[in-house]
Amino acid sequence: EAEVAQSPRYKITEKSQAVAFWCDPISGHATLYWYRQILGQGPELLVQFQDESVVDDSQLPKDRFSAERLKGVDSTLKIQPAELGDSAMYLCASSFRLAGGGNEQFFGPGTRLTVL
Amino acid sequence: AQSVTQLDSQVPVFEEAPVELRCNYSSSVSVYLFWYVQYPNQGLQLLLKYLSGSTLVKSINGFEAEFNKSQTSFHLRKPSVHISDTAEYFCAVFESGSARQLTFGSGTQLTVLP
Repeated sequence: EAEVAQSPRYKITEKSQAVAFWCDPISGHATLYWYRQILGQGPELLVQFQDESVVDDSQLPKDRFSAERLKGVDSTLKIQPAELGDSAMYLCASSFRLAGGGNEQFFGPGTRLTVL
Repeated sequence: AQSVTQLDSQVPVFEEAPVELRCNYSSSVSVYLFWYVQYPNQGLQLLLKYLSGSTLVKSINGFEAEFNKSQTSFHLRKPSVHISDTAEYFCAVFESGSARQLTFGSGTQLTVLP
């Protein structure tokens, strides 16, 4: 069964260090999403790609976060420098095309980041 | 702007008892509604969704939810829960307008007790 892959599953880093997360969506899915889920809260969208283009990054803290999807397939989310408040689960999701309401988003297992 | 409220952060219930997880939303336009389930240290899985048509939607594992437009609610129910239903449940709304993004509630932790 096709799944969204993410790595690493867990990451511990010290504040001010750089971290990067990788996501490989389901084959053929044009739309890719990165969410941040703080403990006890629901996921919040950080950035959305359609193929290699950013569709929405209005909630991405651009002073320290960056995301890319150079070939329109896999994607990398980077934080530099990491801060204590960045500790969270980072979820990647993909869908067949740009979310049109009923278009299901498939989620990966997430990367749990702990910043010390 | 759309928002989702899940009124209960934690719901403990005994095995084989019925359960209802509440979800209310606010939006000025048409919406699509979803329930996702998240098991520990895993991503979210779609449980069921309302797009149009019948206001009562069902999942393959016995959950159902009813869209109530007048009360702007989409409560999730199951007549008899199992230990394996223990998980976090998230209600989400997609607004058919300029936002075009999925907005999640804060989640309800369902714990089924033996």
